[in-house]
Amino acid sequence: DQQVKQNSPSLSVQEGRISILNCDYTNSMFDYFLWYKKYPAEGPTFLISISSIKDKNEDGRFTVFLNKSAKHLSLHIVPSQPGDSAVYFCSCGGSNYKLTFGKGTLLTVNP
Amino acid sequence: NAGVMQNPRHLVRRRGQEARLRCSPMKGHSHVYWYRQLPEEGLKFMVYLQKENIIDESGMPKERFSAEFPKEGPSILRIQQVVRGDSAAYFCASSTGRTSGSADTQYFGPGTRLTVL
Repeated sequence: DQQVKQNSPSLSVQEGRISILNCDYTNSMFDYFLWYKKYPAEGPTFLISISSIKDKNEDGRFTVFLNKSAKHLSLHIVPSQPGDSAVYFCSCGGSNYKLTFGKGTLLTVNP
Repeated sequence: NAGVMQNPRHLVRRRGQEARLRCSPMKGHSHVYWYRQLPEEGLKFMVYLQKENIIDESGMPKERFSAEFPKEGPSILRIQQVVRGDSAAYFCASSTGRTSGSADTQYFGPGTRLTVL
């Protein structure tokens, strides 16, 4: 039973445009949400996070939005750059330290 | 400022052999986590350790898998009598432990890719 779903396995955008990656979760106990970026043959790199008490967190070109009632979060990257091409994982956690990950979305930014 | 280190990066074992994966957390981090990623899947939590203590091993298979984080030295994930289904990427993460729960950001190592022949 997948508690964290990233329904788009892949996304392709043009350089300079906005990339929007989506994530849905089912467990109402999740109260902290993180996005990781992963290149092939490397470990996930932490990008940005958000607590359930907020609905938006911004860090440079990256913004995460949280809609708690819909159990939905999204990552916006603007402007997108070719170096952003990677697999993006949504992960969710609660009061314990255990993170639950989605299957990832492969983002390709075309020059 | 070294990040999380894992070795070996690649490990090949024959069925029935033992696999030992090592993880050195970031400097100043006292919490270690192990995750496994099967092909086309997300990372799945296996175990969470602090120095000399296993805090949560709810994601570990009941048999053949064990983990430790001794007072001195790296954390070790040990898989005995490996089978083909153990082939996966194993990632270690660490955190400071200064923030509670999942807000204690986990930083990942590069992973060990285990192949069982």
